[in-house]
Amino acid sequence: AQSVTQLDSQVPVFEEAPVELRCNYSSSVSVYLFWYVQYPNQGLQLLLKYLSGSTLVESINGFEAEFNKSQTSFHLRKPSVHISDTAEYFCAVTGLKAAGNKLTFGGGTRVLVKP
Amino acid sequence: ETGVTQSPTHLIKTRGQQVTLRCSSQSGHNTVSWYQQALGQGPQFIFQYYREEENGRGNFPPRFSGLQFPNYSSELNVNALELDDSALYLCASSLDREQPQHFGDGTRLSIL
Repeated sequence: AQSVTQLDSQVPVFEEAPVELRCNYSSSVSVYLFWYVQYPNQGLQLLLKYLSGSTLVESINGFEAEFNKSQTSFHLRKPSVHISDTAEYFCAVTGLKAAGNKLTFGGGTRVLVKP
Repeated sequence: ETGVTQSPTHLIKTRGQQVTLRCSSQSGHNTVSWYQQALGQGPQFIFQYYREEENGRGNFPPRFSGLQFPNYSSELNVNALELDDSALYLCASSLDREQPQHFGDGTRLSIL
């Protein structure tokens, strides 16, 4: 079984400032890791994923996350946020070779970008 | 390419009623998963269907049931609705069981 902890429920940040969203997981097996973003009244959009290979993964809109196996973390960062980044962000994990790819989500981090 | 579509977008029911939610998977995707997202929480896995067979189930009672059709679309059925069933129900499809999931916009179910 897996579990995910997102350490911050809410992160206020000024426009053009950097932001880091913290995610820690626990699992008895190797995992795939994901970040999803949810805008108001919408479903989840896949932001980026770690499946294998380089531990630093990047999205097309400037976010990056680093898989740290020893610290069981997958923190999300962006060096300069925009107003449009205001949303809720979910970290998720699934076990490799699990029966299906059931996603286990953290509780979410709400990012509020202020002008 | 059409994404995952869910219907209806909103639904209001009363306790004890039954409800059916529908999901059309993304083209070429043979795996559909359903999640329940209560207000202010992360989504919780309900179950997954792969090629019309249930392929994993979360900690939900039997009154939550599902189907997947030959075209890989899916239904979520909930019987004997309770107030705590009020939530956003999300459907996600993937190319295969171990591929990343792509979500629809959800059905918001309110129980009065």
